[in-house]
Amino acid sequence: DQQVKQNSPSLSVQEGRISILNCDYTNSMFDYFLWYKKYPAEGPTFLISISSIKDKNEDGRFTVFLNKSAKHLSLHIVPSQPGDSAVYFCAASGNQFYFGTGTSLTVIP
Amino acid sequence: GAVVSQHPSWVICKSGTSVKIECRSLDFQATTMFWYRQFPKQSLMLMATSNEGSKATYEQGVEKDKFLINHASLTLSTLTVTSAHPEDSSFYICSARTGEIVYGYTFGSGTRLTVV
Repeated sequence: DQQVKQNSPSLSVQEGRISILNCDYTNSMFDYFLWYKKYPAEGPTFLISISSIKDKNEDGRFTVFLNKSAKHLSLHIVPSQPGDSAVYFCAASGNQFYFGTGTSLTVIP
Repeated sequence: GAVVSQHPSWVICKSGTSVKIECRSLDFQATTMFWYRQFPKQSLMLMATSNEGSKATYEQGVEKDKFLINHASLTLSTLTVTSAHPEDSSFYICSARTGEIVYGYTFGSGTRLTVV
């Protein structure tokens, strides 16, 4: 059973616009949420995280929002750049880490 | 920051041979490392948890005799794909916890295995 879900396998956004990547989870006991970025043939790299006691964390162009009541988190990238084109995985921390299935973001110049 | 080095980055082998992939934590000690497999256009699938000085813990459906994991030191874990077959062709990634939950895992750069 997938405890972390990313229902959009792909997303295309025009350069300069906002990219919004969504993630849903089922376990209310998760205490930390993270986003990773992955280029083809490379390992994922950490992007941004948020504790379950917060509802927003911002780092430059990247902001993660957490809605605990909805068990939903989202990653906002603004403005989007072509170099942001990659697969984005959300992950949740419980007794282990659970990864979503990933969303492939394409930023169109 | 914490770095995990994974080698080789790509390997081509003949069917029936074995391939060893190394994962090293360069500036920290990793008592636990994780091995993932990624199929094209799919998520990371946890294969096994590698524990220093003890047997690895394999996820359901992963053949422990086929994917041998050794974690002999606090900085090195190896994954050996034994008697490889074309269906084992995939992208294998290792990772380790740095101890700081805010960063989660640090990942190796991955190994592209092609079995011909």
